[in-house]
Amino acid sequence: GQNIDQPTEMTATEGAIVQINCTYQTSGFNGLFWYQQHAGEAPTFLSYNVLDGLEEKGRFSSFLSRSKGYSYLLLKELQMKDSASYLCAVRAGIGGFKTIFGAGTRLFVKA
Amino acid sequence: DTAVSQTPKYLVTQMGNDKSIKCEQNLGHDTMYWYKQDSKKFLKIMFSYNNKELIINETVPNRFSPKSPDKAHLNLHINSLELGDSAVYFCASSQEASGGIQETQYFGPGTRLLVL
Repeated sequence: GQNIDQPTEMTATEGAIVQINCTYQTSGFNGLFWYQQHAGEAPTFLSYNVLDGLEEKGRFSSFLSRSKGYSYLLLKELQMKDSASYLCAVRAGIGGFKTIFGAGTRLFVKA
Repeated sequence: DTAVSQTPKYLVTQMGNDKSIKCEQNLGHDTMYWYKQDSKKFLKIMFSYNNKELIINETVPNRFSPKSPDKAHLNLHINSLELGDSAVYFCASSQEASGGIQETQYFGPGTRLLVL
């Protein structure tokens, strides 16, 4: 089967750096996504990794290690508006791909 | 100019009723999806269509029937609604890039369904 694990909740301080981890077990890995979802809103795309390494995009970076089944999302210079859920999603499958979402990590940014 | 739109945004109905949710995307994408997000915020795929053809059909009660009249539209009809169907339903779309790499999914604003 396919399984994605990420912490349920995290708290961090405005201006700090936070790392949200995601581990996965899948067959036929074809890419990993991070999405941000504010309460009551739709998920929005943050990053995509298909090869090992770090992808940087402004204050957000995402890392992937396919051999370890591991990814993290790094948020720098935290702002209050970064308080949201962060969803790790893996596209995988054999004979057909589908995207499986983790349960999400709720991040609380405090002043 | 909404990329992925859904109607209605809110739906409150009685158990046993039949209801439909509509989704439209103006991004020119080939693939559309329906997801269910329950009270625990777990986002689970229900169906996926590629060019009007069903390609993913998860273990969903057959009371749920998707219909894709064209590749820009994917509607979801639910028969005999039950209390457990209360959730937020998200429509999404994406485009498959060359080399089989999946491009990002764009989500609609969601339909909040409450079954009483």
